[in-house]
Amino acid sequence: GENVEQHPSTLSVQEGDSAVIKCTYSDSASNYFPWYKQELGKRPQLIIDIRSNVGEKKDQRIAVTLNKTAKHFSLHITETQPEDSAVYFCAASLGNQFYFGTGTSLTVIP
Amino acid sequence: DGGITQSPKYLFRKEGQNVTLSCEQNLNHDAMYWYRQDPGQGLRLIYYSQIVNDFQKGDIAEGYSVSREKKESFPLTVTSAQKNPTAFYLCASKRQGNTEAFFGQGTRLTVV
Repeated sequence: GENVEQHPSTLSVQEGDSAVIKCTYSDSASNYFPWYKQELGKRPQLIIDIRSNVGEKKDQRIAVTLNKTAKHFSLHITETQPEDSAVYFCAASLGNQFYFGTGTSLTVIP
Repeated sequence: DGGITQSPKYLFRKEGQNVTLSCEQNLNHDAMYWYRQDPGQGLRLIYYSQIVNDFQKGDIAEGYSVSREKKESFPLTVTSAQKNPTAFYLCASKRQGNTEAFFGQGTRLTVV
């Protein structure tokens, strides 16, 4: 099966700085990579996703990059704001199964 | 709210009792999933179902059971065989293929 590793497990940044979260996956057949944000006590919600035929995707302050050769993908958040504070999960999809990373707790310090 | 509903939000049970968590979706999704979330361990797959009357074990299925009698519903039973059942449980659903999964709001189960 697929194995997804996510780093770092915790991340603190000053408001306005950038945050980067990295994930690696093991199965080269994985072809869909979503990122979810989970605020305290709430459900995970999709913030951005990328498919294996694309190397980069951007949505306002959020971007995701994918390196299929190295089997890693990253989430980039620019100009961070306090409301970005949450736990972020990466995932790799193989068929109809999602394999999640262990999460990154991001704290944006005002 | 994404059309997927879990109930109840909080659940307390005595040790040794079975308990069933509800998950209902009105998104017409074929695939449904149950995850367990523990601090520092991310989301671990318990069971998933890709079609009515069919389901597959995930990575941590021991002590759990499911049914999928209707497309809309995928209840999870936490049995007395589950050694450490206290956790946050998340249900999700999605269309077939590489598409977004929608999560319910979760059920926090505490066994005392």
